[in-house]
Amino acid sequence: DSGVTQTPKHLITATGQRVTLRCSPRSGDLSVYWYQQSLDQGLQFLIHYYNGEERAKGNILERFSAQQFPDLHSELNLSSLELGDSALYFCASSGTDQDTQYFGPGTRLTVL
Amino acid sequence: GEDVEQSLFLSVREGDSSVINCTYTDSSSTYLYWYKQEPGAGLQLLTYIFSNMDMKQDQRLTVLLNKKDKHLSLRIADTQTGDSAIYFCAESRPGGFKTIFGAGTRLFVKA
Repeated sequence: DSGVTQTPKHLITATGQRVTLRCSPRSGDLSVYWYQQSLDQGLQFLIHYYNGEERAKGNILERFSAQQFPDLHSELNLSSLELGDSALYFCASSGTDQDTQYFGPGTRLTVL
Repeated sequence: GEDVEQSLFLSVREGDSSVINCTYTDSSSTYLYWYKQEPGAGLQLLTYIFSNMDMKQDQRLTVLLNKKDKHLSLRIADTQTGDSAIYFCAESRPGGFKTIFGAGTRLFVKA
């Protein structure tokens, strides 16, 4: 158990809908990272937050957004969902500038 | 470029040693990591090595780092069927907050 929690574990929705994925980092970690893992694209970095502020953006679509709240949990919002958004979405957290990331169990999103 | 490269597949027999290789591009990388992902699960940190080290051993795992060639390897001794998973190599750049992951090597262990 990495100490990073993600909810929900599974999410099934329809095209055009909007969903919110939630992540709680390890106790004391200030950084939260979001990744998308699909069969054809591998592990793709989406976005990184540090202590409530956006630090880095990767291959994140404009339809996707994220935020980190004062209690350090983070939410990833996915809107206007398309079939191709079906994937595993992972959150990771780290505490120091060593940047060792600890991953949550992921949320499996299926868009029908 | 920013690539961390790994071969996609490796197949070994149970009891043999597995060697998973990785090359990276940034000579200033500070830490190099190996993660394991079992089916349907998240990435689990296996081990990491600081860039001023050549080798790190942890039970059945041996990490070798060749900084000159920017080459990292993970050796698993006495590979078991439970080692079947995807193994990701990652490098961390100086200043923190920038870790680049490889595409992962899928290890198949045949009984």
